[in-house]
Amino acid sequence: GDSVTQMEGPVTLSEEAFLTINCTYTATGYPSLFWYVQYPGEGLQLLLKATKADDKGSNKGFEATYRKETTSFHLEKGSVQVSDSAVYFCALSGNFGNEKLTFGTGTRLTIIP
Amino acid sequence: NAGVTQTPKFQVLKTGQSMTLQCAQDMNHEYMSWYRQDPGMGLRLIHYSVGAGITDQGEVPNGYNVSRSTTEDFPLRLLSAAPSQTSVYFCASSYTTPLQGGEEQYFGPGTRLTVT
Repeated sequence: GDSVTQMEGPVTLSEEAFLTINCTYTATGYPSLFWYVQYPGEGLQLLLKATKADDKGSNKGFEATYRKETTSFHLEKGSVQVSDSAVYFCALSGNFGNEKLTFGTGTRLTIIP
Repeated sequence: NAGVTQTPKFQVLKTGQSMTLQCAQDMNHEYMSWYRQDPGMGLRLIHYSVGAGITDQGEVPNGYNVSRSTTEDFPLRLLSAAPSQTSVYFCASSYTTPLQGGEEQYFGPGTRLTVT
C-alpha cells in the first residue's frame, strides 16, 4: 500500500538557518503530494502541494519539488523564523483506489532566536 | 465562514463510557473524514464519508461509529471507550475525495480525548 516516510525529529535550528525536512513516498500510481503544518494547539493546514512530477509547490518561503525518479518531496526554506516552529507532515493522495490522505509521522521543528 | 468546527475541545472519559464527538462544516463539502493523531504515528483515518448518507471505514475503525445525515455534520461516536482510544481527534473536509488528487483538506482544531 501507499506510505510516506519523513525524517525523524525533533529538529532544532537557529533563526535564519537553512531548513530541509526529507520526505519519500511509496505509491503505485501518480499521487499528489502535500506538506501540511500544525501550529501548537491547532489543526493541520495546507502549506503547499504538487500534483505531478517536476512540479514545485511554494508558500511562505517554503518550497518542495515532486521528484518521481527519487520518489521524494523534500521541504526546504532558506531562512527560518521563530514563527516557523511547528509540526510538519508530508502526505499523499489521489492514488488509484485510495480514498484517503496518507500521512507521514510528522517532524517537529523548533527555531531558537 | 466558520470552516470546520469540532466540539468539545477536551474530554475525559472513564473506560466503558460512550460519547459523541461533533464535527460540522459550512463550506458545502461533500467529503468528510475523521483522523486520530498519536505520537510517532502521524494521522490515521478512522472513517470517511463521500456524501450525505454514505460512510465507509478507514484504517482504524474498530470502536467507532459514524453517520452522515446532512452534508454539514459528521459526528463520531465512541461506543465503549477504552484507554487505547486516548488520542487527539481531527475532523477534515474537502470538495472532492482524495482519490481525485490535489484537493486540499480543511481540518478542524481537534478534540483531545483522555480515557482513564
